Amino acid sequence: GENVEQHPSTLSVQEGDSAVIKCTYSDSASNYFPWYKQELGKRPQLIIDIRSNVGEKKDQRIAVTLNKTAKHFSLHITETQPEDSAVYFCAEGRIYTGTASKLTFGTGTRLQVTL
Amino acid sequence: NAGVTQTPKFQVLKTGQSMTLQCAQDMNHEYMSWYRQDPGMGLRLIHYSVGAGITDQGEVPNGYNVSRSTTEDFPLRLLSAAPSQTSVYFCASRPLDRFGNYGYTFGSGTRLTVV
Repeated sequence: GENVEQHPSTLSVQEGDSAVIKCTYSDSASNYFPWYKQELGKRPQLIIDIRSNVGEKKDQRIAVTLNKTAKHFSLHITETQPEDSAVYFCAEGRIYTGTASKLTFGTGTRLQVTL
Repeated sequence: NAGVTQTPKFQVLKTGQSMTLQCAQDMNHEYMSWYRQDPGMGLRLIHYSVGAGITDQGEVPNGYNVSRSTTEDFPLRLLSAAPSQTSVYFCASRPLDRFGNYGYTFGSGTRLTVV
C-alpha cells in the first residue's frame, strides 16, 4: 500500500536561514505531491503542490522538488521567518483529470524558527 | 461561502457510547474524506467518498461508519466509542479535478476524548 516517510520530525532554524524537509514515497504510480502547513490548534492548509510531470515548483520563499527515480520530494523554505513556525505535512496520491484520489500523509515535521 | 464546517468542536464520550461527527461543505465538492490526527502519526484516512451514494474505506476504518446521502454532508459515526478513538478528527473536501485544482479544504476539526 501507499507509504510516506517524512524527515526530520523536528527542525529548528534561525530566522533568515533555510529549512528543508524531505519525504520518500513507495507507490510508483503516485503523481501528485502536496505540502500542508498546520499552525498550532489550526487546520492543515495547502501551501504548495507538484505533479509528477514537473521537477520543481516555486512560490515566493517556498519551493518543492521532486525526484521520481528516487521516489522522494522535498520542501524548501528560504529566508525563514517566525511565522513559518508550524507543523508541515507532505502527502502523496494519484490524480487523473476528472477523478479524485485519496491522499496519504507523512507523519509531519515541526519547524521552529528562532530569533 | 462557509467552506467545510465541522461540529462539534469538542466532545467527551464515555466508553461504549455512540455519536456522530458532522461535516458539511457548501463548495459543491464531490470528494469528501475523514482523517484522524494523533501525535507523531500524521493524518490517517478513515473513510472517503467520491460522490453521493459512494463511500470507501481508508487506512483506519474499524469502529467508524459513514454515509453520503447528499453532496454537501458526510457524517462520521462512532459505533461504540473506545479510548483508542481519542483523537482530533478532520473532514476535508475537494472538487473532482477539472482545471488542475487538487487542493483539499479542511474543516476546523473535532477534538474527541473517550474516557
